[in-house]
Amino acid sequence: DSGVTQTPKHLITATGQRVTLRCSPRSGDLSVYWYQQSLDQGLQFLIQYYNGEERAKGNILERFSAQQFPDLHSELNLSSLELGDSALYFCASSSQARIGYTFGSGTRLTVV
Amino acid sequence: KNEVEQSPQNLTAQEGEFITINCSYSVGISALHWLQQHPGGGIVSLFMLSSGKKKHGRLIATINIQEKHSSLHITASHPRDSAVYICAVPPSGGGADGLTFGKGTHLIIQP
Repeated sequence: DSGVTQTPKHLITATGQRVTLRCSPRSGDLSVYWYQQSLDQGLQFLIQYYNGEERAKGNILERFSAQQFPDLHSELNLSSLELGDSALYFCASSSQARIGYTFGSGTRLTVV
Repeated sequence: KNEVEQSPQNLTAQEGEFITINCSYSVGISALHWLQQHPGGGIVSLFMLSSGKKKHGRLIATINIQEKHSSLHITASHPRDSAVYICAVPPSGGGADGLTFGKGTHLIIQP
């Protein structure tokens, strides 16, 4: 157990639907990062939150949004899903006190 | 944006061989990460290094900041080392963006 918890582990849904992926960071970590890993694009940074505030945006589509709650867990919302959104979605957390990142085990999203 | 290149893309070796995976990046950084991803998909952080060399068990990571190059070595390789190894760099200038990743090296160690 890395200390970063992601749920669900697997998700199968239809095109056009909306899903929510959840991440609980490692205890004490204020930063949460979301990454997407697809076969053709590899790992890509989507968005970062720090202590409830959006800190940085990467290659995140407008159909996607995220937030970080007061208890520091984060949710990534994916809407109007397309086949190309099928991917592994990872959450990672870090803190200023601890160097490095801790990754969750990922959510495998399949859009059919 | 930092460009990260890894080589080789694929590597198959026999158990016991010494393995080297290379990573080059285009813009100066404060530190570099080596990650391991097993077939199940989970990602494990192996090393974060900003200079010199780090060793953990049979894994050794080196970095040359001036040449913008890092290597990951595996000594006495074992089939359980079979995985994808990914190098990643933070944004140059120490900004708040997330990591930029190489495309990974698919390593297979045959018994």
